[in-house]
Amino acid sequence: NAGVTQTPKFRVLKTGQSMTLLCAQDMNHEYMYWYRQDPGMGLRLIHYSVGEGTTAKGEVPDGYNVSRLKKQNFLLGLESAAPSQTSVYFCASSQWDRGGETQYFGPGTRLLVL
Amino acid sequence: KQEVTQIPAALSVPEGENLVLNCSFTDSAIYNLQWFRQDPGKGLTSLLLIQSSQREQTSGRLNASLDKSSGRSTLYIAASQPGDSATYLCAVSGNQFYFGTGTSLTVIP
Repeated sequence: NAGVTQTPKFRVLKTGQSMTLLCAQDMNHEYMYWYRQDPGMGLRLIHYSVGEGTTAKGEVPDGYNVSRLKKQNFLLGLESAAPSQTSVYFCASSQWDRGGETQYFGPGTRLLVL
Repeated sequence: KQEVTQIPAALSVPEGENLVLNCSFTDSAIYNLQWFRQDPGKGLTSLLLIQSSQREQTSGRLNASLDKSSGRSTLYIAASQPGDSATYLCAVSGNQFYFGTGTSLTVIP
């Protein structure tokens, strides 16, 4: 049981390049999330998904697209990278039980856009 | 929009001391509040989750309280250890999760 994994761990892009970040979870969770973490800003929600085939915008969705073609995978795409997208990106999945929603996080992807 | 604030931003204490971390939020319409730990260069690990109907949760040396009406939560760490050094974040769950910016804790041996 690997939990939530993210690929790649680190990437350097030039302005205008595109890339896809992959998140995978093996816990059969319905909900999945993409966040970015910046110094002094905390974690901010980019996009999320409440199930296979669904996606929704979060707090800072501009410049990103997502897809959830399989329940276990949630992809985050940058179509034309900008220096403002330099950040650490975290994926999370969650389960609901009597205690409410508990999120489980991946180890993060560090992205540097030059 | 929900705003979550954590004070102080950084805290340094000697080993063995009891300490309290604070979290405040502006909208009391939440489902639950969760405390996380983040080690440098790592992801977040859930420590405690408090439902909106609960007042507190305990796990080992950790105790988290929630006062929804006043928009406050505290994380109490008893008998701190150097291994507790990390950044602690709180997050409130409403229509989505909102995170505070965290408190960076250093426990000095």
